[in-house]
Amino acid sequence: NAGVTQTPKFQVLKTGQSMTLQCAQDMNHNSMYWYRQDPGMGLRLIYYSASEGTTDKGEVPNGYNVSRLNKREFSLRLESAAPSQTSVYFCASSRLAGLEGETQYFGPGTRLLVL
Amino acid sequence: RKEVEQDPGPFNVPEGATVAFNCTYSNSASQSFFWYRQDCRKEPKLLMSVYSSGNEDGRFTAQLNRASQYISLLIRDSKLSDSATYLCVVNPFSGSARQLTFGSGTQLTVLP
Repeated sequence: NAGVTQTPKFQVLKTGQSMTLQCAQDMNHNSMYWYRQDPGMGLRLIYYSASEGTTDKGEVPNGYNVSRLNKREFSLRLESAAPSQTSVYFCASSRLAGLEGETQYFGPGTRLLVL
Repeated sequence: RKEVEQDPGPFNVPEGATVAFNCTYSNSASQSFFWYRQDCRKEPKLLMSVYSSGNEDGRFTAQLNRASQYISLLIRDSKLSDSATYLCVVNPFSGSARQLTFGSGTQLTVLP
């Protein structure tokens, strides 16, 4: 099992450009998440999908959109990138959000630089 | 006040030392607690869950104090491979889907 995979690993964008970050999991998990990690800030939830067909905003959704393409895949789109979106983006999945003691499994991350 | 607060460190300890990290959380209704480990430029990985009665996994011991709203992680006989950032993670109930809240991490370097 590959677990959670993310593409691309690195990306450099110019302000105003758009891009989509891809995430896939092969653990048959129902719930998927997108986080960003900035120095000294911890991981912050951008969007999550509790189950296929549903998406909800997290703590910092502005400037992002998501698509839960199917049970395996959850993409994150930046429509018009801004320097403030320079960060490391992690995708995660779990069996089912809401379960007591639920554990999340993370992908390797995408490092994004917006100039 | 941050929902989950950790001392950022860095903690620099010699091999074989015992080191302890604390973490405080603000939501008294929080239900689940974890320690994750994150190596430099890697993804976070679950180290251990934290149970009310305290739990141990080899050299690692986790404790929860609900009255004072803090969680601790004790590492005994530190190894070079323990060098990483340790994230305190809390699962407060939030609407219909629970979400994890991450501390910003405590950096540990074990020195030879």
